[in-house]
Amino acid sequence: GAVVSQHPSRVICKSGTSVKIECRSLDFQATTMFWYRQFPKKSLMLMATSNEGSKATYEQGVEKDKFLINHASLTLSTLTVTSAHPEDSSFYICSAPGLTKETQYFGPGTRLLVL
Amino acid sequence: SQELEQSPQSLIVQEGKNLTINCTSSKTLYGLYWYKQKYGEGLIFLMMLQKGGEEKSHEKITAKLDEKKQQSSLHITASQPSHAGIYLCGADLSGGYQKVTFGTGTKLQVIP
Repeated sequence: GAVVSQHPSRVICKSGTSVKIECRSLDFQATTMFWYRQFPKKSLMLMATSNEGSKATYEQGVEKDKFLINHASLTLSTLTVTSAHPEDSSFYICSAPGLTKETQYFGPGTRLLVL
Repeated sequence: SQELEQSPQSLIVQEGKNLTINCTSSKTLYGLYWYKQKYGEGLIFLMMLQKGGEEKSHEKITAKLDEKKQQSSLHITASQPSHAGIYLCGADLSGGYQKVTFGTGTKLQVIP
């Protein structure tokens, strides 16, 4: 079946550095991908919609300059957390819709820890 | 305020017992998804409901969407330790294409 992968699965970085997270659709094309964030013991919060070949659409309250999204190809979207701070530590998950509304594929997630 | 409310927030049941988790919205649910997650791991798709009154079952899990398409329930029969985890309902509230808004989540523990 279709698979969405994320890399890295875990990352630890120093405060002030930037971190890039990749989301790939492995055997299907995704013109749209979604990025979510999950705080400990909380639900998932939609951050933005990544659109292939155009600008991402951000949800209210999400800083565009902080969370840079690039959807450079039909199988790859990247989320870059710029000038990371400890409050950016979280679990980030991407998803890509399949051909029908029943199919929504989620990546395994990336755990980010900013020291 | 949260657009999708789940209840209860957490649940502890004895193995073999039945349980129900509810998901309620003030908006129409164009698509209602149920997922299971262990925190820090990816999501496992359980079921998706679209039509008012729809009901689906998979193994010991049954999900229903009410006629008004504003409330869904997830029922587990004869719970097992393998059912433990976080259950999330998600919905397409915009009528768009799979932009999922998630509920507040329900943490389930099953005691052997």
